[in-house]
Order: sequence, then structure tokens, then C-alpha cells
Amino acid sequence: AQKVTQAQTEISVVEKEDVTLDCVYETRDTTYYLFWYKQPPSGELVFLIRRNSFDEQNEISGRYSWNFQKSTSSFNFTITASQVVDSAVYFCALSEASGNQFYFGTGTSLTVIP
Amino acid sequence: DGGITQSPKYLFRKEGQNVTLSCEQNLNHDAMYWYRQDPGQGLRLIYYSHIVNDFQKGDIAEGYSVSREKKESFPLTVTSAQKNPTAFYLCASSPGTASAGSPLHFGNGTRLTVT
Repeated sequence: AQKVTQAQTEISVVEKEDVTLDCVYETRDTTYYLFWYKQPPSGELVFLIRRNSFDEQNEISGRYSWNFQKSTSSFNFTITASQVVDSAVYFCALSEASGNQFYFGTGTSLTVIP
Repeated sequence: DGGITQSPKYLFRKEGQNVTLSCEQNLNHDAMYWYRQDPGQGLRLIYYSHIVNDFQKGDIAEGYSVSREKKESFPLTVTSAQKNPTAFYLCASSPGTASAGSPLHFGNGTRLTVT
């Protein structure tokens, strides 16, 4: 079974629109970590944020915000007032305290149209 | 600047040849990882290493081999046994382990094409 599901394969928005990227995870661990990475066309994945399972506070960093809800096993990512530079593939990932690896979703390709 | 260097960026090989992808980091990270990325499939773990001279198979290790003789280096060899080697390969490192929630730092990747 897929541990991390990103149901949105591709999203296109017009510049300045807000966009939310969905991430649903599955784990039996009580201690786990969730991540978001950005992969621009250059190919390198860039780390954006990490949340642990005990911290459900939403986080805002500039135009980026993250909504972590344990009740729905979701860790959604919102970009406010999107810009062309936000165009990339975004990956959600999970690691568990009982495990040795990271589980990545299949990614959401975001295109921001000028 | 600290970082992870993967070389070369593009690599072309004939079927039946082994090929080695380089990954070097100067971040003093203990853990290193190799992932394969195919369109629509996200990242799949090939091998990982948490310490020098020790490494573990990931989900798709068949047809690949690695070594970890130095902390800074984690080369990946794609052997002729790998049935479908054409892909984008990403190396990553981390100061700690996945179980501790230590985030990954990625290289720029190597795009391997086998014909």
C-alpha cells in the first residue's frame, strides 16, 4: 500500500492565484515525520519543511503555508499568490521512528502561468 | 560551499555495460542514499548507508551495487543485470537517520540513458 499519496498529478494556475497541494499519509507509528520537497526543472530536490507527529501547529513561511491534520492523515501545502518561479514538482514524504527509510509520494507537477 | 556533487549530469551507455555514478558530499553527513526517479513513480530507494563500510538494500536494489569506503563518497554501479536502467538517479545525504526525521539533502542528479 502506498504510504504517501499525492492524488494531484498536475496542477496549472494563473499567476497570483492561491494553490493547495494535497498529501495524505498512512502509518501505524505514533512518532513520524512529514516533509515537503520542491524539484525545479534543474532536477535537485530542495527541502522545504519537516513536521513531527507531535506538532500539529500550522506553519507559515512567506507565501508558503502547511496544514497538518492528524485526524485526516493529511499534510497539505498552500502557496499564496503563486509566482512563475513556483513552477516545479512538489513531493511529500514520510519517515517513521520505527523505520530506516523515507517514503515519497509520486509528486505534483505545478505550472504557474504568467 | 557545502553540498552534494553528482557527476556526470548526463551519461550514455550501451546495453550490457556496467556504469558507475559518482556521489560526493562535503557536509560531513553520516547517512547517504541513492534514489531512482521515473516519470509518474516518485522516488524509489535503491541503497542507503548510515555509516562507512556499511550499506543496506532499498526497495529496488536488484541490478545495482554500491560501496561506502569513505564518509564523503557513495558511488552507485548500474550493472548489466539491471533490466531497465534508463532513469534519473538522485543521491542524497543526511546528518542523521530517517527514523530521527533528519531531512535529506539532494544532489543535482544524473540522467542515465542506456541504448
